[in-house]
Amino acid sequence: AQSVTQLDSHVSVSEGTPVLLRCNYSSSYSPSLFWYVQHPNKGLQLLLKYTSAATLVKGINGFEAEFKKSETSFHLTKPSAHMSDAAEYFCVVTLPNYQLIWGAGTKLIIKP
Amino acid sequence: KAGVTQTPRYLIKTRGQQVTLSCSPISGHRSVSWYQQTPGQGLQFLFEYFSETQRNKGNFPGRFSGRQFSNSRSEMNVSTLELGDSALYLCASKTGQGATGELFFGEGSRLTVL
Repeated sequence: AQSVTQLDSHVSVSEGTPVLLRCNYSSSYSPSLFWYVQHPNKGLQLLLKYTSAATLVKGINGFEAEFKKSETSFHLTKPSAHMSDAAEYFCVVTLPNYQLIWGAGTKLIIKP
Repeated sequence: KAGVTQTPRYLIKTRGQQVTLSCSPISGHRSVSWYQQTPGQGLQFLFEYFSETQRNKGNFPGRFSGRQFSNSRSEMNVSTLELGDSALYLCASKTGQGATGELFFGEGSRLTVL
């Protein structure tokens, strides 16, 4: 069965330090993977997506993610956190019938 | 281009009542999905409509229903409201039915059931 696990419910980093949000997936085929971000009281916005092209995917606002098939991971990173990055981040995997499986979310807290 | 518009943004209902939420997708988008978001359960898929047909349905009771009109606008209805239905209901649209298309989300309708 397909599933997605976000390994941390909360991640706290200082402004200017690197960000790592971890996502592992389980899939019996080659999935498409996404990261979405939700700022407080807002809808969700696509950060980046992997669709079997380059394994290192660059997204908006300086975020990037690397698809590692051997580790079944799709971790989200950013070299230097900004206060505006404080939000909740969701990792998403696709099913063959086009349905999406959403991770539980990781709240990113940025300390000044 | 206007984004996804959801109405109303906030509403308060009492147990047993029913509610209808509306979603206007981005112009040209034919797929509309609905999600329920709560602190305890996270983001859960309700259903997806494409060209007025329900294509996928999540694991929700029959009290939750939806429809899509010929102009791609969609409504969802919840009947016999329960306290546990209090949530942020999010609508998302995309151009087609494929798995790799980007979802564009509205800001949601926050439902409180008293």
